[in-house]
Amino acid sequence: EAQVTQNPRYLITVTGKKLTVTCSQNMNHEYMSWYRQDPGLGLRQIYYSMNVEVTDKGDVPEGYKVSRKEKRNFPLILESPSPNQTSLYFCASSFPGLAGVDGELFFGEGSRLTVL
Amino acid sequence: QKEVEQNSGPLSVPEGAIASLNCTYSDRGSQSFFWYRQYSGKSPELIMFIYSNGDKEDGRFTAQLNKASQYVSLLIRDSQPSDSATYLCAVNSAGGTSYGKLTFGQGTILTVHP
Repeated sequence: EAQVTQNPRYLITVTGKKLTVTCSQNMNHEYMSWYRQDPGLGLRQIYYSMNVEVTDKGDVPEGYKVSRKEKRNFPLILESPSPNQTSLYFCASSFPGLAGVDGELFFGEGSRLTVL
Repeated sequence: QKEVEQNSGPLSVPEGAIASLNCTYSDRGSQSFFWYRQYSGKSPELIMFIYSNGDKEDGRFTAQLNKASQYVSLLIRDSQPSDSATYLCAVNSAGGTSYGKLTFGQGTILTVHP
């Protein structure tokens, strides 16, 4: 089954404790991206990757890191989480097109993170 | 000014009516436009995409694009209670340094009541 898998789905942590949210897709997509979703703000792009070893900042990259060492995996790293990073996080993947992202984004089920 | 703007609603329509969802965007070079639907507690899923000016129809859904006015809309005909969800407009920015950026609006909550 074609899917994007995120882990963990739910996490409560404390300020400053490093954490990683994993994302894996089995559709051989070149493009992967991370979003956070907050009430009233919609989905905001954190980082995206056009292919292995190619990553770039989205609209809200501060406090996050990513890596793309393999095509299927795109982990999101919070080196020192803070309460303002409490949010619902989505990973998504797609085939890129001539305009960058002009195909369907396939989303993971989301990871709800709470930072105390 | 937000790059992609939607009326957050909630928009309430009776069953069987036409629901009209609107979205404006600021980047004139934007090339691809998407409508996603998100049920409560679920991930977004693609409904339609549109690249060219005019209308694009798929079943009960019609996407309309007007690049001169920087406006994209989604019409849902014969609305059903199962259409109740948040509808997200997404716009692919122009190339260059924005290549790969997909910007979402804040979403419009649609409620279809029986």
